[in-house]
Amino acid sequence: QKEVEQNSGPLSVPEGAIASLNCTYSDRGSQSFFWYRQYSGKSPELIMFIYSNGDKEDGRFTAQLNKASQYVSLLIRDSQPSDSATYLCAVKKVSPNAGKSTFGDGTTLTVKP
Amino acid sequence: DGGITQSPKYLFRKEGQNVTLSCEQNLNHDAMYWYRQDPGQGLRLIYYSQIVNDFQKGDIAEGYSVSREKKESFPLTVTSAQKNPTAFYLCASSIGGLRDEKLFFGSGTQLSVL
Repeated sequence: QKEVEQNSGPLSVPEGAIASLNCTYSDRGSQSFFWYRQYSGKSPELIMFIYSNGDKEDGRFTAQLNKASQYVSLLIRDSQPSDSATYLCAVKKVSPNAGKSTFGDGTTLTVKP
Repeated sequence: DGGITQSPKYLFRKEGQNVTLSCEQNLNHDAMYWYRQDPGQGLRLIYYSQIVNDFQKGDIAEGYSVSREKKESFPLTVTSAQKNPTAFYLCASSIGGLRDEKLFFGSGTQLSVL
């Protein structure tokens, strides 16, 4: 079992719809959770981070964390073609490996005009 | 502008050759990381360093070596022992020690085997 698993893609949604990206993790010692966006051939950039149970909203993006279910998700409202990218879920553990982030394989999202 | 500079952008390795990928940051970050990305996959950690003159193996360190002699620099050597080196290599840095710290990435080096 992989430490971080993301829902298999690719995911395609029409412009203006809500895109839902899911991630599960196996280590209950995981402390912080990140969503990175990666355009083809480019390096990842941070979209959201969350470390408390519940929802965290930033503009069109909402991260949801449920530690009991070991589940974290990213919702993108009013999806735009510019949101088309691969979304990587990353999980950071409690020390002694506090500096180490583990990534999922990513979910590729396509937003169709 | 502050950031992370990786060079070269493209690199070709001959069989049996060692090659070194450069990573320099001027963000004054303590922690630096090397990740490998294969097509359609996520990032896998090769090595990381949380302070100068100290580094730890990641999940796939075999066939790679690093040094951290300066805070700004964290070069990665892909040795001849790495039999499948073709991949996109990403260097990253972070402030270090914080729960919510994000990773800042360089633009990457695409390594291919001749």
